[in-house]
Amino acid sequence: NAGVTQTPKFQVLKTGQSMTLQCAQDMNHNSMYWYRQDPGMGLRLIYYSASEGTTDKGEVPNGYNVSRLNKREFSLRLESAAPSQTSVYFCASSLESNNSPLHFGNGTRLTVT
Amino acid sequence: KNQVEQSPQSLIILEGKNCTLQCNYTVSPFSNLRWYKQDTGRGPVSLTIMTFSENTKSNGRYTATLDADTKQSSLHITASQLSDSASYICVVTVSGAGSYQLTFGKGTKLSVIP
Repeated sequence: NAGVTQTPKFQVLKTGQSMTLQCAQDMNHNSMYWYRQDPGMGLRLIYYSASEGTTDKGEVPNGYNVSRLNKREFSLRLESAAPSQTSVYFCASSLESNNSPLHFGNGTRLTVT
Repeated sequence: KNQVEQSPQSLIILEGKNCTLQCNYTVSPFSNLRWYKQDTGRGPVSLTIMTFSENTKSNGRYTATLDADTKQSSLHITASQLSDSASYICVVTVSGAGSYQLTFGKGTKLSVIP
């Protein structure tokens, strides 16, 4: 089992460019999440998907869109990247229960110049 | 506002020594408290999850305690190893009205030196 796989690992964008971060899990989890991690701050939720076909905004959704393509895959899109979106992005998945651990990917380090 | 505060921000200890990391929270209504370990350049990995009724939970050399009355938790690492060098993140779950939300602390960066 690979767990949660994110691509790419690194990306540099110019302001205004667009890109999609890919995430896939092989644990048959219903719930998937996108977080960003910035220096000096805790992880912050961007969007989540409680089940296939549903998505909801998290704490910091502005500037992002998501697609739950199927049960395995959950992508995050930046339509017009801004320097404020420079961050490390983590995808995670879990069973539905709120007592289930999150399983994280190893992140995508994004720099917007 | 729901908050999770961790201390210290960073800590350096000698290999083989014990250490304790602290987490205080003001989250309500509380559902559970989690500790994660994050190695540099990697995603966080779950160490423990404790519900309201659990005071102590162990995972190998890691022991987490929870005092729901004072809203404090600690993570004790016994006989530290070089591989324990990482950031340790405290996360509190708030639940209600059929949904739940995780609030992450900023983490404690632990360095274990030979």
